[in-house]
Amino acid sequence: DAGVIQSPRHEVTEMGQEVTLRCKPISGHNSLFWYRQTMMRGLELLIYFNNNVPIDDSGMPEDRFSAKMPNASFSTLKIQPSEPRDSAVYFCASRLTNTGELFFGEGSRLTVL
Amino acid sequence: GNSVTQMEGPVTLSEEAFLTINCTYTATGYPSLFWYVQYPGEGLQLLLKATKADDKGSNKGFEATYRKETTSFHLEKGSVQVSDSAVYFCALSSYGGATNKLIFGTGTLLAVQP
Repeated sequence: DAGVIQSPRHEVTEMGQEVTLRCKPISGHNSLFWYRQTMMRGLELLIYFNNNVPIDDSGMPEDRFSAKMPNASFSTLKIQPSEPRDSAVYFCASRLTNTGELFFGEGSRLTVL
Repeated sequence: GNSVTQMEGPVTLSEEAFLTINCTYTATGYPSLFWYVQYPGEGLQLLLKATKADDKGSNKGFEATYRKETTSFHLEKGSVQVSDSAVYFCALSSYGGATNKLIFGTGTLLAVQP
């Protein structure tokens, strides 16, 4: 069975450019999470969705970040405009039930020059 | 608010040594506790979990016991292998609204030398 699928795996862009990260959760999972991982701040929860509805976006750093989940099988995290401090690995994770195991994708490594 | 504190790494051990990675938490109510592992270049994956006080989670030779009196969930393994080299994250589930979210510690890098 396919796990959580993220794309792109690696992205290098210049400051000011728009970046879109994509995630396909495991089929049937009803919760989806976006995390950011950096050496300095560790693993931070940015936003999570339940049944495609954003539940908590308090971790989104600022207005440059936005996330959508138009249907149960797809979510995007967009950064516009990007800045060098946004460089990190962004993980998407999904879960079947409210208390079930969280399954992570392999991450999207973003470098903003 | 809810939080997790785990020992800073890196932890460097020789093969077959005993491992302990400390984790303590602050939470309201009765959270579930987890250990996740991240191998190089991969996402996190669940290693073990415990859902109530005095529960012991175990997997692949790793163990952790949910200690409510000391608010701890320390990870242990009796004999580590080179293949255990990874980053280990302690986490707790935080309840709120229609769902709950996982709050992670900062991670502890374990390096096992042959």
